[in-house]
Amino acid sequence: SQKIEQNSEALNIQEGKTATLTCNYTNYSPAYLQWYRQDPGRGPVFLLLIRENEKEKRKERLKVTFDTTLKQSLFHITASQPADSATYLCALPNAGKSTFGDGTTLTVKP
Amino acid sequence: DGGITQSPKYLFRKEGQNVTLSCEQNLNHDAMYWYRQDPGQGLRLIYYSQIVNDFQKGDIAEGYSVSREKKESFPLTVTSAQKNPTAFYLCASSIGTGLSYEQYFGPGTRLTVT
Repeated sequence: SQKIEQNSEALNIQEGKTATLTCNYTNYSPAYLQWYRQDPGRGPVFLLLIRENEKEKRKERLKVTFDTTLKQSLFHITASQPADSATYLCALPNAGKSTFGDGTTLTVKP
Repeated sequence: DGGITQSPKYLFRKEGQNVTLSCEQNLNHDAMYWYRQDPGQGLRLIYYSQIVNDFQKGDIAEGYSVSREKKESFPLTVTSAQKNPTAFYLCASSIGTGLSYEQYFGPGTRLTVT
């Protein structure tokens, strides 16, 4: 069956460092992959989309990679700030809808 | 302002009662979705609708019902048949259900059933 796995543990890093979050998938051949941010008690907000023919995508301090051979996407936040603390979700298309991973909670300490 | 509204933000019900959660969007999006989120977990799809008067079951539709009589509205009813209804419910919309459309989420409704 199709499965999405994100970092099982919460991620704690120091301000200014680079945070790297992982999204692994099995039994999928997605044409694209999305990343969302969710703050406690709120709905997710779309951040980035990367297509299967793109190796890397950047937006300000965010960078996403997509390796269809490894079946993995990496999400990087450079020069992290306490305001980046949130849960980050990856999502893959699945028969006309999206399937979301369980998310990774990132805490950036000042 | 364009966006998705959900009401109420908090909802309390007694076990055995049906309850309807509201979701309205003014983004002119064709597709709408309902998700359930339990503490520390990701989003699970309950129902989705690609067009008015049409909707499909998601992964956990049992105990829920929806309607899509208007493009802008997609209410979710949590019936008494839902065994564990206490959760955070999120509504979303997208331009379509094609390969790459991002979803816009509402603020969510936290339902507590006792």
